[in-house]
Amino acid sequence: QLQVQESGPGLVRPSETLSLTCTVSGGSINNALYYWGWVRQTPEKGLEWIGNIYHSGSSYCNPSLKTRVTMSTDPSNNRFSLQLTSVTAADSAVYYCAQLASNPRGRPYYFNSWGQGTLVTVST
Amino acid sequence: EIVLTQSPETLSLSPGEGVTLSCRASRTVTSNYLAWYQQKGGQAPRLLIYDASRRATGTPDRFSGSGSGTDFTLTISRLEPEDFAVYYCQQYASTAFFTFGPGTKVDI
Repeated sequence: QLQVQESGPGLVRPSETLSLTCTVSGGSINNALYYWGWVRQTPEKGLEWIGNIYHSGSSYCNPSLKTRVTMSTDPSNNRFSLQLTSVTAADSAVYYCAQLASNPRGRPYYFNSWGQGTLVTVST
Repeated sequence: EIVLTQSPETLSLSPGEGVTLSCRASRTVTSNYLAWYQQKGGQAPRLLIYDASRRATGTPDRFSGSGSGTDFTLTISRLEPEDFAVYYCQQYASTAFFTFGPGTKVDI
């Protein structure tokens, strides 16, 4: 069974870059049937989609975060990553990575499998 | 951006009761590309329903989804103790901008 697991620092200083990695097990990140995504959650804003990436590198990103987000894949290590620059306290959240199915037209679909989530706090 | 609104915010029910949760979209969700997720305290969301009405693998048949266009519902025919959780809808029709609803909490 495919599983994904987030890793990264739990504390990031304001104005710095948040970097998270998601390791995939039980399946290949190069599988053409899957997309890979990031979602964050706060009590104030609920679930917020960050973006999705395909093994080819093509990606979709929330317009409100687009200027600060970089997503990438690392097929040799079967993982994908998120970088969010210039963070503020508003970026403090539980961050989830997830596997998405792809629809018959090859576009990202629903979130099929989620990591357990990792809490990231932006603070000095 | 497709804005999703869920109602009610909270429901207080008892095991054995049935419940219908609502998810309304600000514009048409094409191809009924709408999913429902269940989230229990401290856990990640779990996919229940996709394409508005298809049960995900492992979803009990007491859960059913319906609707089209802008109005969608999730029905739990008979609540089990493990069903008390928060339920979110999410649209994936807009590839460039996925959105989630604010959630409905089903409470004992």
